Amino acid sequence: EADIYQTPRYLVIGTGKKITLECSQTMGHDKMYWYQQDPGMELHLIHYSYGVNSTEKGDLSSESTVSRIRTEHFPLTLESARPSHTSQYLCASSELSGQRDGELFFGEGSRLTVL
Amino acid sequence: GNSVTQMEGPVTLSEEAFLTINCTYTATGYPSLFWYVQYPGEGLQLLLKATKADDKGSNKGFEATYRKETTSFHLEKGSVQVSDSAVYFCALQKAAGNKLTFGGGTRVLVKP
Repeated sequence: EADIYQTPRYLVIGTGKKITLECSQTMGHDKMYWYQQDPGMELHLIHYSYGVNSTEKGDLSSESTVSRIRTEHFPLTLESARPSHTSQYLCASSELSGQRDGELFFGEGSRLTVL
Repeated sequence: GNSVTQMEGPVTLSEEAFLTINCTYTATGYPSLFWYVQYPGEGLQLLLKATKADDKGSNKGFEATYRKETTSFHLEKGSVQVSDSAVYFCALQKAAGNKLTFGGGTRVLVKP
């Protein structure tokens, strides 16, 4: 069972509000990722980090921002939520290298609805 | 660039039927290949993987063989159960340390 946790699981919020989706892992993984998942299921990488103080934008442009101040914590923030941000957000982590490189551990997801 | 193409779903079948989900990829060299599964209301979890040509990954009755000549990694299970209902994602990692490239996912529904 993966030790990666996301909160909240579900969030319904009004337009213009600031939101932070939390992601924490207890596996000591250096790499962490945020994916946005369409209703059609496709996954889009929006942010990733290879360690503390390292953050990079992913393949899909996103208005969200991330920070990596501690190894175990990788929060995602939207300063002003809009209906177009409605989606499922999945956090994942993996080892930096070695035999298990490429094996991602996912949280259960945060489903965001912006009204 | 790298890409992964999966058969579109949904795939609907009866319990104990044979399941195949096709996956082909485009990448140079010898990427590592993965199948992930997402059960309803959950995040993805690794199902199986193969890191070199002709390797067979297997787990929970599922199998997939890395075919370099056809650039494919098709997922198979001989006798599905209702509990196999999920979305299945094929993915590749071009080289160690690189990010994964995911396919679009295939939804499978197994009816009793």
